[in-house]
Amino acid sequence: GAVVSQHPSWVICKSGTSVKIECRSLDFQATTMFWYRQFPKQSLMLMATSNEGSKATYEQGVEKDKFLINHASLTLSTLTVTSAHPEDSSFYICSAQTVGDYEQYFGPGTRLTVT
Amino acid sequence: QKEVEQNSGPLSVPEGAIASLNCTYSDRGSQSFFWYRQYSGKSPELIMFIYSNGDKEDGRFTAQLNKASQYVSLLIRDSQPSDSATYLCAVNTPFWSSGTYKYIFGTGTRLKVLA
Repeated sequence: GAVVSQHPSWVICKSGTSVKIECRSLDFQATTMFWYRQFPKQSLMLMATSNEGSKATYEQGVEKDKFLINHASLTLSTLTVTSAHPEDSSFYICSAQTVGDYEQYFGPGTRLTVT
Repeated sequence: QKEVEQNSGPLSVPEGAIASLNCTYSDRGSQSFFWYRQYSGKSPELIMFIYSNGDKEDGRFTAQLNKASQYVSLLIRDSQPSDSATYLCAVNTPFWSSGTYKYIFGTGTRLKVLA
């Protein structure tokens, strides 16, 4: 149980284009989903927290107009990187949580490369 | 000031030895503590979590929590080369505005188990 998927697992895009990453909870309802970014040899940095049906809460320093997060259902959240630049190249990981549950369940991650 | 601190390592131990990984945190309101293992290019995988002061054992792994000292550790007995990875400490802090709990990750400790 508690399986989270991400799609795509890797993506290469050109500078200036937008990329959408999907995060799905496959066997449970995720009231909250989290989006993390991880640069090489660094730890996971929380980008934003999203609750189903509400606007996402972004961490300080994360541009909400650049990283659009939608959590339209209890099983799906999407992260759209708009006008991507090479410095946005990173490993993006989502996690999902059910209300009242301390544990987060992580997706396998999406490797984004912007050329 | 970092909220969760770990020694970045690398920590090198011989095969069969005990590896000891440490983590300190700053928020006394933290309620639960997680240890994740992350292989290069992969998403973190949960090893174990601990909520109460004292020790918690699961197979070769023992987590230790001391809330008074704001300290949590992970011991790995009979270390194997396959244990070589980065170990991330995560502290669960209430995110009161939404009633959810978000993780604060440490920077991770790189463990090398030498065959």
